[in-house]
Amino acid sequence: DVKVTQSSRYLVKRTGEKVFLECVQDMDHENMFWYRQDPGLGLRLIYFSYDVKMKEKGDIPEGYSVSREKKERFSLILESASTNQTSMYLCASMEQGQHYQPQHFGDGTRLSIL
Amino acid sequence: AQKITQTQPGMFVQEKEAVTLDCTYDTSDPSYGLFWYKQPSSGEMIFLIYQGSYDQQNATEGRYSLNFQKARKSANLVISASQLGDSAMYFCAMRGNSGYSTLTFGKGTMLLVSP
Repeated sequence: DVKVTQSSRYLVKRTGEKVFLECVQDMDHENMFWYRQDPGLGLRLIYFSYDVKMKEKGDIPEGYSVSREKKERFSLILESASTNQTSMYLCASMEQGQHYQPQHFGDGTRLSIL
Repeated sequence: AQKITQTQPGMFVQEKEAVTLDCTYDTSDPSYGLFWYKQPSSGEMIFLIYQGSYDQQNATEGRYSLNFQKARKSANLVISASQLGDSAMYFCAMRGNSGYSTLTFGKGTMLLVSP
């Protein structure tokens, strides 16, 4: 089974802090994704990566950056956290090139910015 | 651009009954895939079922089936014989033909199964 591990289930940070959310997958997947989930809005794509050191903006990249130095690890960075970034963050991975393959998700990080 | 619409914010069903969760989509891609995920209150996203746009038959996975009507651009999830453990948020998602493997998600439907 694919295992996607997010470093924290719950995280509380202060406004202005630099926040790192870490995600690791164990299936050698090329593609990795970061979403945020808010009530009534579903999942929205922040950034994704299709290879090491490659990144692409999703639908809502403002206020975020990402890093992918190793294939198995994809980090989401909040450069200066703000209260409107309080949300549930979900990481996912999937194999390259298979149209029918689902994305596999981690358990999520509930982030609160105070 | 792709769009997924789930018009039911919440649904109630009694245990052992069947329930249909609605999903309509919009895309200009000739080839696409449709996915359903379940999210229990614990937060993890669980993949349930996939339907390809060129698949001739509706997808089935155990108690889950997908009622795919291509002309109507709908991909409704049918859960037969509901169980208490089916209480969760359900998301419909689409992957287009952009060359990237991104998914577009709907806003979800909360399903509550009562005894």
